[in-house]
Amino acid sequence: DAGVIQSPRHEVTEMGQEVTLRCKPISGHNSLFWYRQTMMRGLELLIYFNNNVPIDDSGMPEDRFSAKMPNASFSTLKIQPSEPRDSAVYFCASSLGTWDEQYFGPGTRLTVT
Amino acid sequence: GENVEQHPSTLSVQEGDSAVIKCTYSDSASNYFPWYKQELGKRPQLIIDIRSNVGEKKDQRIAVTLNKTAKHFSLHITETQPEDSAVYFCAASNGADGLTFGKGTHLIIQP
Repeated sequence: DAGVIQSPRHEVTEMGQEVTLRCKPISGHNSLFWYRQTMMRGLELLIYFNNNVPIDDSGMPEDRFSAKMPNASFSTLKIQPSEPRDSAVYFCASSLGTWDEQYFGPGTRLTVT
Repeated sequence: GENVEQHPSTLSVQEGDSAVIKCTYSDSASNYFPWYKQELGKRPQLIIDIRSNVGEKKDQRIAVTLNKTAKHFSLHITETQPEDSAVYFCAASNGADGLTFGKGTHLIIQP
């Protein structure tokens, strides 16, 4: 298995633009997680899905952020409109179940200018 | 929600010595405690985890202890090696709310 796949690996955009981050979890995994990592705030859980259903989105910073999982093999995290303070590394992770080992993707480094 | 505190933020030890990183959590319902290692520019990777029905778990040079009464758990690395240099994160989960991570410990192994 190729592991968790994320795209793009790097994204540079201007303030106000829409950004879409993509994730393909490991086949057979039922849980998918989106995290944001910054020096100041560390690793924060934004949202997670079980069997494609959003379970906990309390970590989503504000309405500018949205996430979808239309099927078991694909998820998106969208920021609209983007702001400089959204600059961070965004990780997607998947696991068999909520309590199982989470496998992280390589991350997307987002820079908003 | 859960709150995880991790100490120290930076730890420097001589190669061959032991390193200990400590975490406390607030939610008494938490019952899963993984530790992740993140090398510079890389993704976090699980190195060991423990569930609340166990007090200690070992895997070669790495061990984790859990004290549910005091709500704290620790990572112990013995005979440290240069490749142990990384940022280590503890985390806690009650199974319903996902993982809450500590802020991380930058472990530096001095040659």
